[in-house]
Amino acid sequence: NAGVTQTPKFQVLKTGQSMTLQCAQDMNHNSMYWYRQDPGMGLRLIYYSASEGTTDKGEVPNGYNVSRLNKREFSLRLESAAPSQTSVYFCASSEIGRRPEAFFGQGTRLTVV
Amino acid sequence: GESVGLHLPTLSVQEGDNSIINCAYSNSASDYFIWYKQESGKGPQFIIDIRSNMDKRQGQRVTVLLNKTVKHLSLQIAATQPGDSAVYFCADPFRQKLVFGQGTRLTINP
Repeated sequence: NAGVTQTPKFQVLKTGQSMTLQCAQDMNHNSMYWYRQDPGMGLRLIYYSASEGTTDKGEVPNGYNVSRLNKREFSLRLESAAPSQTSVYFCASSEIGRRPEAFFGQGTRLTVV
Repeated sequence: GESVGLHLPTLSVQEGDNSIINCAYSNSASDYFIWYKQESGKGPQFIIDIRSNMDKRQGQRVTVLLNKTVKHLSLQIAATQPGDSAVYFCADPFRQKLVFGQGTRLTINP
């Protein structure tokens, strides 16, 4: 029962480096999400994909890009990392019309130095 | 823009007391809300949901109340236990855009 799998779990980047966070779900959900969570803050939506083939901006999309590779996979890319992007990133998937809850991955702790 | 917010960032209660966590929303078209619990180091987990055609929904030790007139919902936890210590979020999945409120950190005093 994998659910939502995120890789990597931890990452340290230098300012200006790029990287891609991977997310895969095995629940056949249509919707997938990327969030960031900073200390003392809630979850802020970066991008989401309501269904395969669509992506939309969330609350804080600047500095990020996403790709919905197929129904299972939704990746988040940082083209030029900045210290302000130091955060914990969560991927989630849901089928809200059928089941109420979104399922979350274990998170990726990213530090940009 | 549309958002989901919370009145208090922290709430401290005595073990055994009832806890009430509040949430305000601004989107009049929102018709479905979800409460999540996030324990330290983990992703959020579903607690309970409510649709706009309901005023109240009960689960095991939890009750959610929805007041559409003032765009307010609350999560009530009965007989709060140490295991209830966590951050609680309300969330609005309007048109599949799942947006979370700031969160309330609930701490339990022995």
